[in-house]
Amino acid sequence: GAVVSQHPSWVICKSGTSVKIECRSLDFQATTMFWYRQFPKQSLMLMATSNEGSKATYEQGVEKDKFLINHASLTLSTLTVTSAHPEDSSFYICSASRDRAYNSPLHFGNGTRLTVT
Amino acid sequence: EDQVTQSPEALRLQEGESSSLNCSYTVSGLRGLFWYRQDPGKGPEFLFTLYSAGEEKEKERLKATLTKKESFLHITAPKPEDSATYLCAVRGPVSIKAAGNKLTFGGGTRVLVKP
Repeated sequence: GAVVSQHPSWVICKSGTSVKIECRSLDFQATTMFWYRQFPKQSLMLMATSNEGSKATYEQGVEKDKFLINHASLTLSTLTVTSAHPEDSSFYICSASRDRAYNSPLHFGNGTRLTVT
Repeated sequence: EDQVTQSPEALRLQEGESSSLNCSYTVSGLRGLFWYRQDPGKGPEFLFTLYSAGEEKEKERLKATLTKKESFLHITAPKPEDSATYLCAVRGPVSIKAAGNKLTFGGGTRVLVKP
């Protein structure tokens, strides 16, 4: 099956600093990757769609200047949380489809637990 | 806007006690309904894709079914290792605003199977 790798698995940072999270598709190329956010005991909320070679598409209410997304290659997307604050503490998960077929599932990384102190 | 509602929110079962999870959805032009399993601190793991009303998929003790308005995930004779959160998600129609193959998730059902 398709494998999506995320790094780091957890990170603790101080308020005001920036944190970068990497998402890699290990055995397939992904022109599009999706970044989700999950609060404790809640479901996944789509933050943005990462498009290889072009600008990311952000969901309504997500600050694009705070959550910087770069999709520099067909196997790597990064999410940078800039000037992090405690309310940014959450579980961030990336995903990608192996292909563009309508019934192609998203495969998820194992997530990054961000704690901002 | 696509909407997905899962019930119940939580389910406690005895080992061997079969049950069903419900996923109700509202989407104009369904391009797929997906079931995932999520263990604590992990990303969701893909289980099934359903597309057409009447379609069924099975994997070990799990069976997913689909109607025009809802999907069910049946757990037959569950074991403790089936304890997890089960997530349902839909993929709506392609549109200018829609982000490609994104999925909209329901709130999930937390299943605990006791030995």
